[in-house]
Amino acid sequence: AQSVTQPDIHITVSEGASLELRCNYSYGATPYLFWYVQSPGQGLQLLLKYFSGDTLVQGIKGFEAEFKRSQSSFNLRKPSVHWSDAAEYFCAVGARGTASKLTFGTGTRLQVTL
Amino acid sequence: GAVVSQHPSWVICKSGTSVKIECRSLDFQATTMFWYRQFPKQSLMLMATSNEGSKATYEQGVEKDKFLINHASLTLSTLTVTSAHPEDSSFYICSASDRGGLGEQFFGPGTRLTVL
Repeated sequence: AQSVTQPDIHITVSEGASLELRCNYSYGATPYLFWYVQSPGQGLQLLLKYFSGDTLVQGIKGFEAEFKRSQSSFNLRKPSVHWSDAAEYFCAVGARGTASKLTFGTGTRLQVTL
Repeated sequence: GAVVSQHPSWVICKSGTSVKIECRSLDFQATTMFWYRQFPKQSLMLMATSNEGSKATYEQGVEKDKFLINHASLTLSTLTVTSAHPEDSSFYICSASDRGGLGEQFFGPGTRLTVL
């Protein structure tokens, strides 16, 4: 069975500082990997995804993530955080193929101080 | 492209009544739709997977008689919470996957259900 671990429940960074959110997955083969962001009371917005190819993936809002097969990780990074980035971030893993169900991590709440 | 809507965005109902939540794919055909439930400050838990024209597949522990799912067309799936109770209060989110795609899901904005 697939699983996702986000070790950090809550992270606080200063505006302008760099950010890295950790994600580790467990899956028998090469998975599909996703990062979503959720603002309070809102649905999920896709930040980026990895299906295949280049292991460094660029997303929206200046985010990037790197797939490291040897470490079973897909960490999310941003070089300079903005106050508007404060939200809940979810990593998810899905099986390859059409319409496969996703397994979500428990989420990391990002707080940005001014 | 790939927009998914949900209606209503929030609903308040009395205990014992039924509530229907709609999930629509606006600009693509969704062969598969997923329904998730999210408790406050928690992650999304998959409730069921529905394929157009077929019965939904429920995850372990989800009561199929309480959470009725219908996927009548390639653009519409509905979740009906029957005989709702306060413990059913939650944030319900649907997602849709397009025909022939790589499996990416497109998420709706969610529906906040409060049962009094």
